[in-house]
Amino acid sequence: DAKTTQPPSMDCAEGRAANLPCNHSTISGNEYVYWYRQIHSQGPQYIIHGLKNNETNEMASLIITEDRKSSTLILPHATLRDTAVYYCIVRVERTGTALIFGKGTTLSVSS
Amino acid sequence: EAGVTQFPSHSVIEKGQTVTLRCDPISGHDNLYWYRRVMGKEIKFLLHFVKESKQDESGMPNNRFLAERTGGTYSTLKVQPAELEDSGVYFCASSPIRLGNSPLHFGNGTRLTVT
Repeated sequence: DAKTTQPPSMDCAEGRAANLPCNHSTISGNEYVYWYRQIHSQGPQYIIHGLKNNETNEMASLIITEDRKSSTLILPHATLRDTAVYYCIVRVERTGTALIFGKGTTLSVSS
Repeated sequence: EAGVTQFPSHSVIEKGQTVTLRCDPISGHDNLYWYRRVMGKEIKFLLHFVKESKQDESGMPNNRFLAERTGGTYSTLKVQPAELEDSGVYFCASSPIRLGNSPLHFGNGTRLTVT
């Protein structure tokens, strides 16, 4: 699976949009981009995933560049409860493939 | 629907003892995964079951770790004998089998402390 690069940490003011970048320049055509987060000591929580098109759900939006070499996770109105480690993971399009976690980005939301 | 449940939530044992962790996946999920996070390190993949078969066990650290999934429902991860470096949080995840990608759903983990 392709490797991803994320900034180690980011800050965001409560109520503002949090834009978390991820580089995956070696991504293959059959690899999806997944985002998970881990809040304190809880289990990793699925946020969103996509292949080529931008995606939106109730939690976040995922913007993937046209060349698919990078993506941005957008939390439109960050709250204190969004403080967590965010992981960008690329995963081959094959049912059941395990996720491989990197170091992620620690997002700190402050009031 | 009920999520992935893990038991116990915490376990403290002495070096050399045996511990068994249990994971109940979401009903109907044939894929089951074990991960662990050692203090200060990244979340590491341990192994992957498809129903009762081990699909990928490349992440298992050594033969002190034994995972089973009899009947393709719940899974257990036994550590015998436990060593100090086995301390960490052990996560279980599950997903359904279907064409294309399905997200993994994680439990809240078992925190293992070996003293």
